[in-house]
Amino acid sequence: EAQVTQNPRYLITVTGKKLTVTCSQNMNHEYMSWYRQDPGLGLRQIYYSMNVEVTDKGDVPEGYKVSRKEKRNFPLILESPSPNQTSLYFCASSTAVGSGDYNEQFFGPGTRLTVL
Amino acid sequence: LAKTTQPISMDSYEGQEVNITCSHNNIATNDYITWYQQFPSQGPRFIIQGYKTKVTNEVASLFIPADRKSSTLSLPRVSLSDTAVYYCLVGDMGRDDKIIFGKGTRLHILP
Repeated sequence: EAQVTQNPRYLITVTGKKLTVTCSQNMNHEYMSWYRQDPGLGLRQIYYSMNVEVTDKGDVPEGYKVSRKEKRNFPLILESPSPNQTSLYFCASSTAVGSGDYNEQFFGPGTRLTVL
Repeated sequence: LAKTTQPISMDSYEGQEVNITCSHNNIATNDYITWYQQFPSQGPRFIIQGYKTKVTNEVASLFIPADRKSSTLSLPRVSLSDTAVYYCLVGDMGRDDKIIFGKGTRLHILP
């Protein structure tokens, strides 16, 4: 089954304790992206990756890191989480930008993070 | 990326046709218009995409006037399960790497 998986689905942590949220897709998609969703603010893009070893900042990258060492994986790293990073996080993937396809994004189930 | 404006919320009743309009005055020549649906605590799901005129699939229709400065998502005969947030996105995936979802329209279907 074509899908985007995220782990963990729920996480409660404390300020300053480094954490990683994993994202994996099995559709051989080039483009991957991370979003956060907060009440009243909609979905905001954190980081995206056009392909392996190619990453770039979205609208709200502060406090986050990403890496793209393999095509299927795109982990989101919070080196020193703070309470304002408490949010619902979504990973998504799509075919390559500019491929001429619809570039429909496929989203993971979400990770609900609470930073105390 | 063209900025989009949608109503914050809408209410409708089961069995009705619902039309959600999105304004995108600064749409560029190569931009496509894409709509996503999101249920609570789930990731958005692609509904429909179009460039001009009308596009229809098994879920919805998308109407785009000739000037392309707005678009209307039409959901026929809605049910309670259509209660969700609907996002209108405008962009050219061949040019734009960033993606902007905005705040969407919260549609509430009443029995």
